[in-house]
Amino acid sequence: QSVLTQPPSASGTPGQRVTISCSGSSSNIGSNTVNWYQQLPGTAPKLLIYSNNQRPSGVPDRFSGSKSGTSASLAISGLQSEDEADYYCAAWDDSLNGPYVVFGGGTKLTVL
Amino acid sequence: QVQLVQSGAEVKKPGASVKVSCKASGYTFTSYGISWVRQAPGQGLEWMGWISAYNGNTNYAQKLQGRVTMTTDTSTSTAYMELRSLRSDDTAVYYCARELGTTPGAFDIWGQGTMVTVSS
Repeated sequence: QSVLTQPPSASGTPGQRVTISCSGSSSNIGSNTVNWYQQLPGTAPKLLIYSNNQRPSGVPDRFSGSKSGTSASLAISGLQSEDEADYYCAAWDDSLNGPYVVFGGGTKLTVL
Repeated sequence: QVQLVQSGAEVKKPGASVKVSCKASGYTFTSYGISWVRQAPGQGLEWMGWISAYNGNTNYAQKLQGRVTMTTDTSTSTAYMELRSLRSDDTAVYYCARELGTTPGAFDIWGQGTMVTVSS
């Protein structure tokens, strides 16, 4: 059971806009920034979004992030076949057991 | 280019220990922290802990306290993660990742991963 909650799957057709949600609590998303990772099959994760809505150099502007309260979202516009991957949200958690990094369970994105 | 290169796959028996290395290149090693993240087969990502390459300070996930030790060797720009008393549920791909300097918890460079299999 992951601390951050993501839908296990999402799908869309090429060119569509897809959003992936990430729900947490006051000790993680509610008080810290959210980061998003993309993991293509058989490869290491790649930082996609940091500090809620910042893109590292080289990440297309089709990818965007947002945060409101204890939830965050990743949006992918102009969906492409190469976007088919697992997506994970992550944030620091300041609970009694922490501080530590918590991940969502991951969302498998299928491009139909 | 900036990269992290990890040591090769390991097969261990239950109760044994494993030590995975992560060699950094292309940047000033002591200017960034390193986290270790693992991923069991078919499962999600699990953060194991963090070490400052500047002063060696560590922060371990509570569930691994007492079994994990993270260290660095600044002379070779290498980080190490040792996990003891291995169990079958420690079977996973282990990644090292550089922490983005401006954003704690954001990992911008990842190693290629090291598969650790625990089996009798």
